Amino acid sequence: GAVVSQHPSRVICKSGTSVKIECRSLDFQATTMFWYRQFPKQSLMLMATSNEGSKATYEQGVEKDKFLINHASLTLSTLTVTSAHPEDSSFYICSARKDRGFVEQYFGPGTRLTVT
Amino acid sequence: DAKTTQPTSMDCAEGRAANLPCNHSTISGNEYVYWYRQIHSQGPQYIIHGLKNNETNEMASLIITEDRKSSTLILPHATLRDTAVYYCIVREIQGAQKLVFGQGTRLTINP
Repeated sequence: GAVVSQHPSRVICKSGTSVKIECRSLDFQATTMFWYRQFPKQSLMLMATSNEGSKATYEQGVEKDKFLINHASLTLSTLTVTSAHPEDSSFYICSARKDRGFVEQYFGPGTRLTVT
Repeated sequence: DAKTTQPTSMDCAEGRAANLPCNHSTISGNEYVYWYRQIHSQGPQYIIHGLKNNETNEMASLIITEDRKSSTLILPHATLRDTAVYYCIVREIQGAQKLVFGQGTRLTINP
């Protein structure tokens, strides 16, 4: 199978601090990873697309200086929420795709961020 | 914006077939139809995808109309564990290949 993990699964941080979320593809190399955010009772919203070794592409309305994405290797992408505020509290989910020709995208279990 | 329309919610009895419809009347020739589901507080799970032919795997069957403007996901023998939000998504074969999620259908399997 294709397994994607996220760490941590839950995190609570104080307002103004930064928090890093890791996304790993455990048994395949992911040339592309995606980051989503999901508020309660809402659908997933794509935040950005990251390709290994290059800058992430952010969706309209997503602040790239606030949500820093690093895809340093073919198995790891990180999302750092900088200067977090309570409105950043959400469920953050990553997904990974094996290669450009591969049509399936595999999702991680998500990270619940609570900013107090 | 999502390019699909799904009913907000559906109910199905355990053991019965669950048929989830999806309208994608503006689908173009280079777009696949994907189905994912999300069980509460988990990441989405891939179910099945297709281009124009009907598809079947161990989880479900996908029936796509001949004009490709709509499709139906069939869970042949629904169980309580199939209770989830089901998302129908169209996505380009080439290009960015982003998955854009709509609101999905909340399927409840009743005992």
